[in-house]
Amino acid sequence: DVKVTQSSRYLVKRTGEKVFLECVQDMDHENMFWYRQDPGLGLRLIYFSYDVKMKEKGDIPEGYSVSREKKERFSLILESASTNQTSMYLCASGFIRYEQYFGPGTRLTVT
Amino acid sequence: RKEVEQDPGPFNVPEGATVAFNCTYSNSASQSFFWYRQDCRKEPKLLMSVYSSGNEDGRFTAQLNRASQYISLLIRDSKLSDSATYLCVVNLISNFGNEKLTFGTGTRLTIIP
Repeated sequence: DVKVTQSSRYLVKRTGEKVFLECVQDMDHENMFWYRQDPGLGLRLIYFSYDVKMKEKGDIPEGYSVSREKKERFSLILESASTNQTSMYLCASGFIRYEQYFGPGTRLTVT
Repeated sequence: RKEVEQDPGPFNVPEGATVAFNCTYSNSASQSFFWYRQDCRKEPKLLMSVYSSGNEDGRFTAQLNRASQYISLLIRDSKLSDSATYLCVVNLISNFGNEKLTFGTGTRLTIIP
């Protein structure tokens, strides 16, 4: 059974803090993705990675960075959290053109 | 114009009824199409791919109309467990030649007993 796990289900951080969101997949996928989901806006791609140490910007990369040191792990970093980054963050692994498998999500609140 | 557009609903449908959703996409070069299902407070999961010839999986039928650039999902004999948000997903090719899956904002369906 495929599995994508995320480090936290709920997270509360203060404005200006550095935030790390971790994602691990056990399917040996080369591609991993970070999305955020907001009401009325749907899922928007922040960054994706197609190989270890390789990354590509998605639609809304501003204010975020990523790290992929191992194939199974993809981290999203908020360098200085702001209130407009309050959102549901979803990690996925899979294929750029085909099926993607999502983790359970991290609901981040920045106060 | 949005890249992928769906009617947000909500669709409130009695149990046993048939319901259909449409979704339009803007990029005629798109090649892959999907319907994902997202339950409340859960992650999206693939419901079915959409093939050019149309495809059926039990009570669910998906169709693609390339000429008009839309895909559809038909649910027959709806069950209470079908209550969810249905996401239309299309692979889009950017001006730079990059591909990515683009998700619609979803159509919310509630099946009423």
